Amino acid sequence: GQQVMQIPQYQHVQEGEDFTTYCNSSTTLSNIQWYKQRPGGHPVFLIQLVKSGEVKKQKRLTFQFGEAKKNSSLHITATQTTDVGTYFCAGVGANNLFFGTGTRLTVIP
Amino acid sequence: DAMVIQNPRYQVTQFGKPVTLSCSQTLNHNVMYWYQQKSSQAPKLLFHYYDKDFNNEADTPDNFQSRRPNTSFCFLDIRSPGLGDAAMYLCATSPRAGLAEQYFGPGTRLTVT
Repeated sequence: GQQVMQIPQYQHVQEGEDFTTYCNSSTTLSNIQWYKQRPGGHPVFLIQLVKSGEVKKQKRLTFQFGEAKKNSSLHITATQTTDVGTYFCAGVGANNLFFGTGTRLTVIP
Repeated sequence: DAMVIQNPRYQVTQFGKPVTLSCSQTLNHNVMYWYQQKSSQAPKLLFHYYDKDFNNEADTPDNFQSRRPNTSFCFLDIRSPGLGDAAMYLCATSPRAGLAEQYFGPGTRLTVT
């Protein structure tokens, strides 16, 4: 079956440092979504990437979709304590999402 | 505000005692999903409804059932909860399957004693 892996599993950064999580799929994805889940919270949609090589920015967050549409990345510039949480990529299937394994980000003040 | 509501937020049940979790939405979305999320893991899709059409994931145990009596409500029934079923159960909605983003409810944390 379809598998979506993320690395790293955990990341601790000092506030102000950058952070990147990588997402890799075993199969080509039609598109990919990113979600953020705060500790004790529920996943919240961040963005969707559709086109090969697409790059989108949301303030300090930069999302990329690979040329082969099998990988994606999320980069956060100058992390803040409000960035803490687990970031999930999710490959979009015909009718559902295949969530990646997630990267838990801790930001040390 | 339009939203996805789950009740109760916390549920304790005994081993083998049936339990029902509920989800309602004011978004008027066609698709509703039920996910199981265990600690430090990704949400795992159990099943989803596209309107009234029920779609079960292949590896969802028979112990888990679902009902969607109308567009707004969806229920998750666990017929005989085991200790391994203790988890957060997330309901999500989407205006359409596939490309659309999913809107998650706050979840119900199930404890099995």
